[in-house]
Amino acid sequence: EAGVAQSPRYKIIEKRQSVAFWCNPISGHATLYWYQQILGQGPKLLIQFQNNGVVDDSQLPKDRFSAERLKGVDSTLKIQPAKLEDSAVYLCASSLGQGKHNEQFFGPGTRLTVL
Amino acid sequence: KQEVTQIPAALSVPEGENLVLNCSFTDSAIYNLQWFRQDPGKGLTSLLLIQSSQREQTSGRLNASLDKSSGRSTLYIAASQPGDSATYLCAVREGGFKTIFGAGTRLFVKA
Repeated sequence: EAGVAQSPRYKIIEKRQSVAFWCNPISGHATLYWYQQILGQGPKLLIQFQNNGVVDDSQLPKDRFSAERLKGVDSTLKIQPAKLEDSAVYLCASSLGQGKHNEQFFGPGTRLTVL
Repeated sequence: KQEVTQIPAALSVPEGENLVLNCSFTDSAIYNLQWFRQDPGKGLTSLLLIQSSQREQTSGRLNASLDKSSGRSTLYIAASQPGDSATYLCAVREGGFKTIFGAGTRLFVKA
């Protein structure tokens, strides 16, 4: 079974530029998550989708971050414009559903460096 | 507001030792708790998931326990090996479906 796919793996941009990340979850997984992991910290949930609807985006900086999952499968996360403090690893995860028995499975992440 | 703490932040042990990693959380109204390992530069690998109604889960040399009333979970690793060296993260899932991670314990197993 293929895992969660993410691209690109690495991205270097200058501040005020825009960037987009792509995620393809495990086939059949209805729930998709985007996390931000700053060096030395645990991942922080940015947004959670159930199919193509948003379940939680309370920690998403909506003035610069946006995410969509139009067809309930793959998803994109965009930052516009980027700031220095956005340098982090962006992790995508998926699970079958939101039940208490559903494990989250993570992709390899995209490492973003903002100069 | 839920807070998840992992102690110690780092741990170094000789190969073969049994060890316990700790995870504490402030709000006992959790949905489940999941343990992950993260290797440098990699994503997270799921180790064990304990539902709120369960007390423990086992997989191979790993055993995770959950005590909701005291807000604690432990991950027990038996007969540690150098390949176990990684950062171990616990994540609490709340009833509103939000997931909160601890900062992790960095484990180094010396050969």
